[in-house]
Amino acid sequence: GAGVSQTPSNKVTEKGKYVELRCDPISGHTALYWYRQSLGQGPEFLIYFQGTGAADDSGLPNDRFFAVRPEGSVSTLKIQRTERGDSAVYLCASSLQRNTEAFFGQGTRLTVV
Amino acid sequence: QKEVEQNSGPLSVPEGAIASLNCTYSDRGSQSFFWYRQYSGKSPELIMSIYSNGDKEDGRFTAQLNKASQYVSLLIRDSQPSDSATYLCAVNPDYNTDKLIFGTGTRLQVFP
Repeated sequence: GAGVSQTPSNKVTEKGKYVELRCDPISGHTALYWYRQSLGQGPEFLIYFQGTGAADDSGLPNDRFFAVRPEGSVSTLKIQRTERGDSAVYLCASSLQRNTEAFFGQGTRLTVV
Repeated sequence: QKEVEQNSGPLSVPEGAIASLNCTYSDRGSQSFFWYRQYSGKSPELIMSIYSNGDKEDGRFTAQLNKASQYVSLLIRDSQPSDSATYLCAVNPDYNTDKLIFGTGTRLQVFP
């Protein structure tokens, strides 16, 4: 597609459940990033991939969060045992290569009830 | 500590005026600087990038970078009501990583 695509656009889940959020980057972009944004805040870095490998996962808040990008294109962010504090908009971005402009998808709004 | 600081606003300017948005950052080794615009309920949209000291112009937008003062700004000339949004400053703090550190954003209101 022409832009970064994220699915689902909205996800409501119960506390303690497992969720997966998907990101399909711009075709040909080697770098992929996950951020999350809470109301009134700027996006907060979670993890980024260069190709298939996680180049920097220093933003993952704890071991309930995990992300994969097995073929160097689509990525999945996985959250185990969700908590109400995980509620936020999860944003995915991609860039052509290292240290170039990153373009965001429309985000997945996650609500944990 | 907060690494990228922005005034949360709102900054209110009349239509046709110049809007000046400012951002400071704490990491002196920061390499790349970006301005994103975010409309309410939407995702951030890249409007400017700047990598070296000085000014960079693109249409009505000018980004200014001063690494010695650890300061980056965005000027919007001939402001329009459609420019009303939150403007996010983002900084890449280290050449060894591509992560961006974002400020909390400045809300700009352009009134007719």
